[in-house]
Amino acid sequence: EDKVVQSPLSLVVHEGDTVTLNCSYEVTNFRSLLWYKQEKKAPTFLFMLTSSGIEKKSGRLSSILDKKELSSILNITATQTGDSAIYLCAVEGKGAQKLVFGQGTRLTINP
Amino acid sequence: DAGITQSPRHKVTETGTPVTLRCHQTENHRYMYWYRQDPGHGLRLIHYSYGVKDTDKGEVSDGYSVSRSKTEDFLLTLESATSSQTSVYFCAIGQPNTEAFFGQGTRLTVV
Repeated sequence: EDKVVQSPLSLVVHEGDTVTLNCSYEVTNFRSLLWYKQEKKAPTFLFMLTSSGIEKKSGRLSSILDKKELSSILNITATQTGDSAIYLCAVEGKGAQKLVFGQGTRLTINP
Repeated sequence: DAGITQSPRHKVTETGTPVTLRCHQTENHRYMYWYRQDPGHGLRLIHYSYGVKDTDKGEVSDGYSVSRSKTEDFLLTLESATSSQTSVYFCAIGQPNTEAFFGQGTRLTVV
């Protein structure tokens, strides 16, 4: 059975800090790993990673996949209060046609 | 925003009553998914569809059924609602090898 584990489950930091969120997975025939951000309502897409070692970047957010270690990290630099959210990691297996999600990391940025 | 609408957005129902949630898309995406979100569990897949009349079970399908009679609509039915089905339900849509887009969610309370 495919499985995704995120850590930490909860994190509180001060504005301006840098944070690293972790995602590890077990999946049959890995196809992709995705990161989502969820504020009040629907999760919104951040990154899709398919190749190991290639960093995806968007502003202060970046993510990288390590297929050897079956894991990914999401980095946020110079955090802002607007980064407060639940960050969700999901994986998709080839032919699976579905995303399996981790429990999420609740990130709180204090001013 | 992806054209995906869930209805109703909020519902309170009594134990033992049937409930149907609707997901409607205007994107002509092949895949549609129903997830539930509960504290500490992230998003868990209930059922998904990979085409008209083609559906399959997810990890928490007991007590739920689905139907997809046309590309744009995916219905989730709770045959006899129980308090354990109190949750926030998200519909998502997607295409092969791309990210999934989520609806705004339906908050269901079973009393």
